[in-house]
Amino acid sequence: DSGVTQTPKHLITATGQRVTLRCSPRSGDLSVYWYQQSLDQGLQFLIQYYNGEERAKGNILERFSAQQFPDLHSELNLSSLELGDSALYFCASSVGLAGALKNIQYFGAGTRLSVL
Amino acid sequence: GESVGLHLPTLSVQEGDNSIINCAYSNSASDYFIWYKQESGKGPQFIIDIRSNMDKRQGQRVTVLLNKTVKHLSLQIAATQPGDSAVYFCAENTGNAGNMLTFGGGTRLMVKP
Repeated sequence: DSGVTQTPKHLITATGQRVTLRCSPRSGDLSVYWYQQSLDQGLQFLIQYYNGEERAKGNILERFSAQQFPDLHSELNLSSLELGDSALYFCASSVGLAGALKNIQYFGAGTRLSVL
Repeated sequence: GESVGLHLPTLSVQEGDNSIINCAYSNSASDYFIWYKQESGKGPQFIIDIRSNMDKRQGQRVTVLLNKTVKHLSLQIAATQPGDSAVYFCAENTGNAGNMLTFGGGTRLMVKP
């Protein structure tokens, strides 16, 4: 168990809908990262938050947004869903930012999103 | 069910043999590298990491080798066990403002009993 908790485990929804994925980082970790894993694209970095502020952005669509709350949990919001958004969404957390001695990202078990 | 792409390169080894999984990275500015293991239906699990000022790092049954000249990383698993069967990803970090990782495509390791 990595200590990173993601809910829900599975999500089935229809095109055009909006969903929210939730992530609780490991105790003491300030950084949260979101990744998308699809069959044809592997693991793709979406966005990172550190202590409530956005720090890095990857290939995140404008229909997607995220935030990190004062208690450090994070939510990834996916709207106007399309069939191609079906994927595994992973959250990871780490103690700090780049440059820290040990800044390993620990991953949650993921949320499997199916858009029908 | 499958959690990663179906067309991954596959390494098939006999139980007890040593495994070597290779990875080519793209950015010569990358200064930190990690190997992750992903079992079916689970998230990536940290195995071992190495900084660019090192050529080799050893863990329990695993060794990571880094060749910066050719931008190549390898993961060696000694005495491979059935529980090692999984998809293995290398990831690189360029030391950018955040800590984003760029993942390789992954290699599926299958251990034959």
